[in-house]
Amino acid sequence: RKEVEQDPGPFNVPEGATVAFNCTYSNSASQSFFWYRQDCRKEPKLLMSVYSSGNEDGRFTAQLNRASQYISLLIRDSKLSDSATYLCVVRLYGGSQGNLIFGKGTKLSVKP
Amino acid sequence: GAGVSQSPRYKVAKRGQDVALRCDPISGHVSLFWYQQALGQGPEFLTYFQNEAQLDKSGLPSDRFFAERPEGSVSTLKIQRTQQEDSAVYLCASSLDLVNQPQHFGDGTRLSIL
Repeated sequence: RKEVEQDPGPFNVPEGATVAFNCTYSNSASQSFFWYRQDCRKEPKLLMSVYSSGNEDGRFTAQLNRASQYISLLIRDSKLSDSATYLCVVRLYGGSQGNLIFGKGTKLSVKP
Repeated sequence: GAGVSQSPRYKVAKRGQDVALRCDPISGHVSLFWYQQALGQGPEFLTYFQNEAQLDKSGLPSDRFFAERPEGSVSTLKIQRTQQEDSAVYLCASSLDLVNQPQHFGDGTRLSIL
């Protein structure tokens, strides 16, 4: 079983729609959580960190449920420019571990 | 530039050849990571440096893969006797420290083995 699992999509939505992505992680020692965005043939870029209390950045809201080991990302009022692959990422700590563990990504396509 | 710089952007090699991929992290960044991203997959961890020390190489897929960062800045990932399954994008990331700071990624090197 992969450590971080996401629905690969694609999610095809019209402009202005609200879309939600979910992710589960298997290692309860995971301590930091992120959503990254990756455009086609580009490098991953940090979209936002995810906290247990939930956090919002403009049209984007991220939520973490440690008990269920579940992370979500909500995008409101989708724009064409939101089309990308969204990567769910966890980070373990302990010893020398600090590397990021990525899900496969969820592809979003926003249509006019 | 201010970001992580990787070279070459594209590399085509014949099976069996050795290749070397370079990463120039953001100045002052202590931690440096290498990841491998196959088509349709998320990046997968290969190895990690703190300054010049390679603290974790558990993700390297075989002993054909070797990474170094001799002066604690530029890093090189070397793949010997390349195989077709080595074809992937190799991403380098750096961060100010291990624990709290975000990782910044370079554009990657797209490696194709023929």
